[in-house]
Amino acid sequence: AQKVTQAQTEISVVEKEDVTLDCVYETRDTTYYLFWYKQPPSGELVFLIRRNSFDEQNEISGRYSWNFQKSTSSFNFTITASQVVDSAVYFCALLQAGGTSYGKLTFGQGTILTVHP
Amino acid sequence: DAGVTQSPTHLIKTRGQQVTLRCSPKSGHDTVSWYQQALGQGPQFIFQYYEEEERQRGNFPDRFSGHQFPNYSSELNVNALLLGDSALYLCASSFGTGTGNTIYFGEGSWLTVV
Repeated sequence: AQKVTQAQTEISVVEKEDVTLDCVYETRDTTYYLFWYKQPPSGELVFLIRRNSFDEQNEISGRYSWNFQKSTSSFNFTITASQVVDSAVYFCALLQAGGTSYGKLTFGQGTILTVHP
Repeated sequence: DAGVTQSPTHLIKTRGQQVTLRCSPKSGHDTVSWYQQALGQGPQFIFQYYEEEERQRGNFPDRFSGHQFPNYSSELNVNALLLGDSALYLCASSFGTGTGNTIYFGEGSWLTVV
């Protein structure tokens, strides 16, 4: 069975601080995909990034960066110079590409990020 | 390019009633999945539709059923509503299933059962 763990339930930072959201996953598959989503109070899950299991390159998009390490089954998300608009719930999710659970996203419990001015 | 659209946005139902939620996928997408998100929890997979058939199902009772239409839009039906069915119901769409293509979500339907 696959599982996603986001150990940080809540994080509170002051604007301009850097913050890292941790994500650890479990899967027996060799082919899988990892996602990060942002959920503002409105409820919509906003897509941030997708990474496949064969691509361990780190990625940077503006103030956002992601560190994928298969050796530790982790896919961590860092926000540099955080802003108040970054306040939201962030979810890490795992998608299996095969097996009995293909096409199903398994989510972590989410991390509530609050950025104070 | 419209994203994933869901209706209604909010609704209140009484225990024992039935509810239908609707979803239109993002343009070009042919796969629709439904998720239930209880307060303070991550979304839980209900089922997925592709080519008008249910392809995958999560651990939800038969009271939860769905349908996909030829235009790829989808409905989620819940019968005999329980208080515990109160949640945000999210629709997600993608092109293909299990392909790893980006999965987009709608804004959800907030269901309150009283």
